[in-house]
Amino acid sequence: DIQMTQSPSSLSASVGDRVIITCRASQGITKYLAWYQQKPGKVPKLLIYGASTLQSGVPSRFSGSGSGTDFTLTISSLQPEDVATYYCQNYNSDPWRFGQGTKVEIK
Amino acid sequence: EVQLFESGGDLVQPGGSLRLSCAASGFTFSSFAMSWVRQAPGKGLEWVSTLSSRGTTYYADSVKGRFTISRDNSKNTLYLQMDSLRAEDTALYYCAKKGSTVTPGNYFDPWGPGTRVTVSS
Repeated sequence: DIQMTQSPSSLSASVGDRVIITCRASQGITKYLAWYQQKPGKVPKLLIYGASTLQSGVPSRFSGSGSGTDFTLTISSLQPEDVATYYCQNYNSDPWRFGQGTKVEIK
Repeated sequence: EVQLFESGGDLVQPGGSLRLSCAASGFTFSSFAMSWVRQAPGKGLEWVSTLSSRGTTYYADSVKGRFTISRDNSKNTLYLQMDSLRAEDTALYYCAKKGSTVTPGNYFDPWGPGTRVTVSS
């Protein structure tokens, strides 16, 4: 089974900062990597699939990159509404595991 | 607009059973794989089960042999039969649609609001 490891587990940054979250797969998954955003008390929302394809309606300050085992989610300019927990997910093969999540807060 | 709505969550004793339902609308239900994902209180997301459009079932090891996923395409409804429930099954259970019939792989979009299952005596 492929394990997904995110880092950091939490971070605090100022409005306008560039934020980078990393996700590592224990085996290569080519580009079958999705990112989700879950705001406090809300339903998870798909941000990115195919490692770098932005889901319709997602602000352009979000971007994804990587392939194989190492991936990143970047928020180019952190906004107050980006406070959330972010999860990566391997969707290459069963079991379709998530990373443990990265909680993003405003400093 | 795609809509998913889960129901059936409840308080149940350890060893008990529960059936969750997910009513879908706004898309051709029979064409998409559908999944259940859960989130224990204060914890992260855990994939539980997927049922492909062709009827193939997949389960996480933690629920294999205890949970059964099924669907009724005539009612646009997904089900999760949960037997031999344990305290560690306590969670918010989300129903989610496969993101695309064109793009390969099983990512989830959108998600329903969830239904809460509590296993406790």
